[in-house]
Amino acid sequence: DAGVTQSPTHLIKTRGQQVTLRCSPKSGHDTVSWYQQALGQGPQFIFQYYEEEERQRGNFPDRFSGHQFPNYSSELNVNALLLGDSALYLCASSSMTGDNGYTFGSGTRLTVV
Amino acid sequence: QKEVEQNSGPLSVPEGAIASLNCTYSDRGSQSFFWYRQYSGKSPELIMFIYSNGDKEDGRFTAQLNKASQYVSLLIRDSQPSDSATYLCAVRYSGYALNFGKGTSLLVTP
Repeated sequence: DAGVTQSPTHLIKTRGQQVTLRCSPKSGHDTVSWYQQALGQGPQFIFQYYEEEERQRGNFPDRFSGHQFPNYSSELNVNALLLGDSALYLCASSSMTGDNGYTFGSGTRLTVV
Repeated sequence: QKEVEQNSGPLSVPEGAIASLNCTYSDRGSQSFFWYRQYSGKSPELIMFIYSNGDKEDGRFTAQLNKASQYVSLLIRDSQPSDSATYLCAVRYSGYALNFGKGTSLLVTP
């Protein structure tokens, strides 16, 4: 039973560039959330996708956008990268309600130089 | 701003002892509560969740919830060196987002 898979594992980008991160949810899960975790901090909620629509968004600028595909996989796009966007980006999948918790992928470490 | 507060630690306990990790939250309307463990350089791993007041036990772990006092705690019995990690408390208010604390670093010494 495959867990949550994310790609790539690591990424180095230049300030001002754009990046796309990818996530495949755990088998049986249909909901995908994205979190940003800075060093020494807890994860911060970016947004959640269900039925191919963004159904909740955290306090992130619209440079952060996403998409969910019919097979429940998801992408996170970040435009006009800033140095402060350097972080671990975590994808979490769950059932529609999330009542049994969220399963996290191994994350993508993004470094903006 | 809905806050989730945790003591950053490090909390140091000897092997075999009980580790007690605490978390307070600001919104009385909070619905559900989660504890995650995160090893250095790894992603968070769900330990357990609790919705109702009282205790919930799962193996060596016990989660305790007191909604009146707005705190949730995690007890780890018979602590092992492999339990050394950062423990993240997450609170779900309305909607679907988890609000995380900054985590408590636990060190179990042999």
